[in-house]
Amino acid sequence: AQSVTQLGSHVSVSEGALVLLRCNYSSSVPPYLFWYVQYPNQGLQLLLKYTTGATLVKGINGFEAEFKKSETSFHLTKPSAHMSDAAEYFCAVSDHGTASKLTFGTGTRLQVTL
Amino acid sequence: GAGVSQSPSNKVTEKGKDVELRCDPISGHTALYWYRQSLGQGLEFLIYFQGNSAPDKSGLPSDRFSAERTGGSVSTLTIQRTQQEDSAVYLCASSLGKGAIQETQYFGPGTRLLVL
Repeated sequence: AQSVTQLGSHVSVSEGALVLLRCNYSSSVPPYLFWYVQYPNQGLQLLLKYTTGATLVKGINGFEAEFKKSETSFHLTKPSAHMSDAAEYFCAVSDHGTASKLTFGTGTRLQVTL
Repeated sequence: GAGVSQSPSNKVTEKGKDVELRCDPISGHTALYWYRQSLGQGLEFLIYFQGNSAPDKSGLPSDRFSAERTGGSVSTLTIQRTQQEDSAVYLCASSLGKGAIQETQYFGPGTRLLVL
């Protein structure tokens, strides 16, 4: 079975500062990795995903993530935070063996302050 | 175009009652998933439908939970004899269902269930 660990359930940054949300996974096979964002009272929206190929993945709203196999990590970054980035972020890995069901981390709530 | 829709958006029920939660996937999507989001357990996979294949029920927490998908489109998640620990947000997602493991899943807004 695969698993995902998100370090830091709550992260606070100033507007304009770097955003770094950490995600580590465990997998016995090359994983497919995802970052989803959840705004208050809304469903999950895909930010970006890594499948194969280039290890630096760019997503929507200026976010990007880098797959580092040696570190089993897939950290999410954004150079400059905006107030509208305040939300909960979930890292997920696909479960090999059966289709595309996702295993999620516990989430990181991002707060952006003035 | 229309996204994944779920109804009701909120449901309050008494312990021991049965509830039905509905999901309308994106038109043309053959794969449909149910997840549960709760404070204690985070986001958990419940069940997955792909076309006419037998569903993957490996995530259902007990036999009080069941789901069906009629006509390959709308799905209903049923919880019988609800317990307080069933209180959670139930999320539905759909994807094209072409079998590619890297498919994007599109999520609905969820149904917030509160069992008193």
